Amino acid sequence: GAGVSQSPSNKVTEKGKDVELRCDPISGHTALYWYRQSLGQGLEFLIYFQGNSAPDKSGLPSDRFSAERTGGSVSTLTIQRTQQEDSAVYLCASSLRSGSYEQYFGPGTRLTVT
Amino acid sequence: TQLLEQSPQFLSIQEGENLTVYCNSSSVFSSLQWYRQEPGEGPVLLVTVVTGGEVKKLKRLTFQFGDARKDSSLHITAAQPGDTGLYLCAGRDTGRRALTFGSGTRLQVQP
Repeated sequence: GAGVSQSPSNKVTEKGKDVELRCDPISGHTALYWYRQSLGQGLEFLIYFQGNSAPDKSGLPSDRFSAERTGGSVSTLTIQRTQQEDSAVYLCASSLRSGSYEQYFGPGTRLTVT
Repeated sequence: TQLLEQSPQFLSIQEGENLTVYCNSSSVFSSLQWYRQEPGEGPVLLVTVVTGGEVKKLKRLTFQFGDARKDSSLHITAAQPGDTGLYLCAGRDTGRRALTFGSGTRLQVQP
């Protein structure tokens, strides 16, 4: 079946512009996660959605970052007034349910802020 | 904030050699996972260990969870070029749904 998909695969933007990154989770997966990965490093948790519960936003680095999940499926991560330090690969993952051990990751969106 | 430290950060070895990657924390995790990531792709789960002292084998890969559930190791026997990639450990604590990832170990196996 289809895995987690993300778009765009690459995004180059100018400092100060807003960007939207999209994630399509695996159908039927109720949990969705966003992570950020700096070049060749580990993953930094950003935000977590589980069904209709309030999202866990504890990992968002500033109020310039926000995310939505519409209809319990597609999610959009928005970064306002981008800064050069926002340059990274943004990874989305989904899992069958909260607490489920396996998270399935998408290929990521590489964001470059010039 | 729980932290996971991986060592070594980078490892370059010849085909056929053995290696061990370590993942250490001062915190206790309810479970620990190992992922492998290739360039341009997301991480792929290799194994989940749950019980302190647990050992799991996946072909030439052996994973161990420390007795106190604070550390883990990944041992690869007779490494092959196909093992090349970024290896990430990730821990889950009981009070949080998201994973805490280590900084990664980049493995390069030369033919």
